[in-house]
Amino acid sequence: AQKITQTQPGMFVQEKEAVTLDCTYDTSDQSYGLFWYKQPSSGEMIFLIYQGSYDEQNATEGRYSLNFQKARKSANLVISASQLGDSAMYFCAMRPHFGNEKLTFGTGTRLTIIP
Amino acid sequence: DSGVTQTPKHLITATGQRVTLRCSPRSGDLSVYWYQQSLDQGLQFLIHYYNGEERAKGNILERFSAQQFPDLHSELNLSSLELGDSALYFCASSLAGRGGRADTQYFGPGTRLTVL
Repeated sequence: AQKITQTQPGMFVQEKEAVTLDCTYDTSDQSYGLFWYKQPSSGEMIFLIYQGSYDEQNATEGRYSLNFQKARKSANLVISASQLGDSAMYFCAMRPHFGNEKLTFGTGTRLTIIP
Repeated sequence: DSGVTQTPKHLITATGQRVTLRCSPRSGDLSVYWYQQSLDQGLQFLIHYYNGEERAKGNILERFSAQQFPDLHSELNLSSLELGDSALYFCASSLAGRGGRADTQYFGPGTRLTVL
């Protein structure tokens, strides 16, 4: 079974600053994927970034990067130069590459960007 | 816009009733997943269909059922509704359901169900 832990229920960050959202995971699978999704107040779930367990480099997508530390089982999301539109809930999720393809989600972090 | 469509966007109904939620996956995607998001349970996986066949079940109640049709759209049927079924129901789709970056799940906008 997989488990995702997000220990920061809420964060407040000044606009234009960088922010790190924490995510740790637990799994017995050797091959898996880690995902981050953004859920604005409108409710939709927006895919942000993916990291495979065997990827040698940390994933980056525009202002988003994933600080992947496999030995520590952590997959923190880094948002550079935060914007007001980044205010949202952020969910870390994982799924194994083989077997049940469901996503297991953490409880989320509510990020608020302060102008 | 993820390319996944869900209807209706909002649904208000009474206890004991039955409703059907509809999902159309992204063009080319064969896998459809259903998730429930509630305040007390968070995001929970319900069921996964691949090319018309049920692939995996999560914590889906017996009162709930789903199917995927030959045109790949999917429907989630919720019956004998209870107050606790009020939640945001998401459909997600992916290419094939076999893992890896190419198999990222893209979510629809969700259907917000309110049971009164």
